[in-house]
Amino acid sequence: SQTIHQWPATLVQPVGSPLSLECTVEGTSNPNLYWYRQAAGRGLQLLFYSVGIGQISSEVPQNLSASRPQDRQFILSSKKLLLSDSGFYLCAWRGRFGSPLHFGNGTRLTVT
Amino acid sequence: AQSVTQPDIHITVSEGASLELRCNYSYGATPYLFWYVQSPGQGLQLLLKYFSGDTLVQGIKGFEAEFKRSQSSFNLRKPSVHWSDAAEYFCAVGSQSGGSYIPTFGRGTSLIVHP
Repeated sequence: SQTIHQWPATLVQPVGSPLSLECTVEGTSNPNLYWYRQAAGRGLQLLFYSVGIGQISSEVPQNLSASRPQDRQFILSSKKLLLSDSGFYLCAWRGRFGSPLHFGNGTRLTVT
Repeated sequence: AQSVTQPDIHITVSEGASLELRCNYSYGATPYLFWYVQSPGQGLQLLLKYFSGDTLVQGIKGFEAEFKRSQSSFNLRKPSVHWSDAAEYFCAVGSQSGGSYIPTFGRGTSLIVHP
């Protein structure tokens, strides 16, 4: 069966520090991959999605970036964190068209 | 562009009472529709999905949802709520955009269950 792993679970970083969040999927090939951010009391904001290795689409202009170095690996990065980057980050994958998204357990990021 | 509206930010019910969470969508064609549940500090778990066919779909944990095209709605129901159902619920619609599949989520409804 397919599983998705996301780490770390929690992270506290100072303003201006770099960020790297990692997500990997097992048990499937060529998944569509997504990064979402969820601010407190708000819905999900799509940040990036990828349909294949090296193919990244950005939905929201900001100081975050994403990369997909391998088929089942999706990385969210920042060179310098802002206070506004605090939130709950969720990685998700999807198989064939129309199938639902499957989410990881999320990373709680606090920028201090 | 597609959109999803969950008009209720919070819903409070007593344990054992019935539940209905509302979801309205805007999409030109027949949409793919989903309901997810999120417990505090966790990711989203799929409750049920609608692609086509029978408009009443059954999901996990005793939930069901009914697709009503004429009302552009996909409301989630449960006949008897348990305390463990307290969580955040998200409705989502999926569509194709330029060869990519972009799901849109509602802002969520927080369910509070009183004993």
